[in-house]
Amino acid sequence: AQKVTQAQTEISVVEKEDVTLDCVYETRDTTYYLFWYKQPPSGELVFLIRRNSFDEQNEISGRYSWNFQKSTSSFNFTITASQVVDSAVYFCALSETMDAGGTSYGKLTFGQGTILTVHP
Amino acid sequence: DAGITQSPRYKITETGRQVTLMCHQTWSHSYMFWYRQDLGHGLRLIYYSAAADITDKGEVPDGYVVSRSKTENFPLTLESATRSQTSVYFCASRKLAGDPWYNEQFFGPGTRLTVL
Repeated sequence: AQKVTQAQTEISVVEKEDVTLDCVYETRDTTYYLFWYKQPPSGELVFLIRRNSFDEQNEISGRYSWNFQKSTSSFNFTITASQVVDSAVYFCALSETMDAGGTSYGKLTFGQGTILTVHP
Repeated sequence: DAGITQSPRYKITETGRQVTLMCHQTWSHSYMFWYRQDLGHGLRLIYYSAAADITDKGEVPDGYVVSRSKTENFPLTLESATRSQTSVYFCASRKLAGDPWYNEQFFGPGTRLTVL
C-alpha cells in the first residue's frame, strides 16, 4: 500500500526565514506522481506542483523550490524568505499510476499535512 | 462558471439522518473522487468513479453511498449520519488518462459537515 508521511505537524517561523517542509513516501510502483497542495485559511486546496518519478530535477518557482530524491523517497518543499501569506496547511500527495486491475484512476494518497504559520 | 462546485458548503445534521452532499463539474472529466479531511489524517479517499455508472470504494467507504448517473454529477450520501462523520468533504475530478495533465486532480471548495 502507498503511504505518505509528513513528520512535521506544525512549523512556526518569523517572516523572511526560510522553511523546509518534509515529505517521505512509500510505494511499490515504478512509475508514480508526487504533488504538493496548499490549503490557505479559506479552505480550498490549491495545486502547487507535480513531479513524476522519472524526473529528479529540482525545481524552483519564485520563492518555492522542491527537492525530489528517489534514493531517499523524499519530496521536500522549501519556501525562501517566507511571508505571512504563506501561512497555510501544506499537503504532500502520491498518485498511483495503475491499480490492481491495471486501470489508472489517479487516486491520491495524502500525507497528514503540515501547518505552517509565518509570523510578521 | 466552469469548474467544480459543491453544495451545500455548510451542513449541520443530527445523528441518524440521511444527508446528501452534491458535487458538480463542468469540465466533463471522466474521473471523480470524494475525500474527507480530518485533523491528523490529511485527506482520505471515500469513493471514486471512472465514468457514469462506474464507482468503487476507497480507503474509508463505510457509512457512505455514491452514485453517478451523469458524468458531471457525483453525489455522496450518508445513509445514517454518525458523529464520526463530522468532517470536511472534498470532491475532486481528473481528466481521462493520456492528457498532458495526466494525474492532476482539481478540487471543489469543500463541504463542512457537522453531525450532532
